[in-house]
Amino acid sequence: EPEVTQTPSHQVTQMGQEVILRCVPISNHLYFYWYRQILGQKVEFLVSFYNNEISEKSEIFDDQFSVERPDGSNFTLKIRSTKLEDSAMYFCASIQFGAREQYFGPGTRLTVT
Amino acid sequence: LAKTTQPISMDSYEGQEVNITCSHNNIATNDYITWYQQFPSQGPRFIIQGYKTKVTNEVASLFIPADRKSSTLSLPRVSLSDTAVYYCLVGDLSGTGGGNKLTFGTGTQLKVEL
Repeated sequence: EPEVTQTPSHQVTQMGQEVILRCVPISNHLYFYWYRQILGQKVEFLVSFYNNEISEKSEIFDDQFSVERPDGSNFTLKIRSTKLEDSAMYFCASIQFGAREQYFGPGTRLTVT
Repeated sequence: LAKTTQPISMDSYEGQEVNITCSHNNIATNDYITWYQQFPSQGPRFIIQGYKTKVTNEVASLFIPADRKSSTLSLPRVSLSDTAVYYCLVGDLSGTGGGNKLTFGTGTQLKVEL
């Protein structure tokens, strides 16, 4: 069964550093998402991406965040200058056109020290 | 998206049927009801989706009454591995072809014991 993959599984970084989280969505999917989950809290929507541009973003997704689909397979989330409160699990998801089931990746645990 | 209310936690034993009910009084005509499962440190996983009446797949059943103001996820004969958080989501999740975000609540923590 096809699946969404994410790398790395765990990233430790120092406050103020830039990080790039990588995702490979399922190949025939057209909509891509990033969500995050702070430990013990809800899964929160960050951004959706379609046709090489952002479709929607939440209040969390400020100027420190950016997304990119640099090639036909990868989908990345960049945090320019990490803060302690960015520590969370970050999940990538994708969905096929016309479908309702989003497929989530295993997540990247980001720890900012 | 319609607001949903579900129990914070439920306990069960292996082999029992578990029913988790979700209230969504403000569900709109175009909204679907979707359930996701999440294990610790993993991404949510789609379980089942329905619009009305009953939907069944290899994992669960979803019961939706005629007024659609609530829904019940039924897990037959649970095992220890069904211990997870279960989320009820309501919305027109297809958007214009599939683009709508998912809005998660706090979910129901199901604990299955021997």
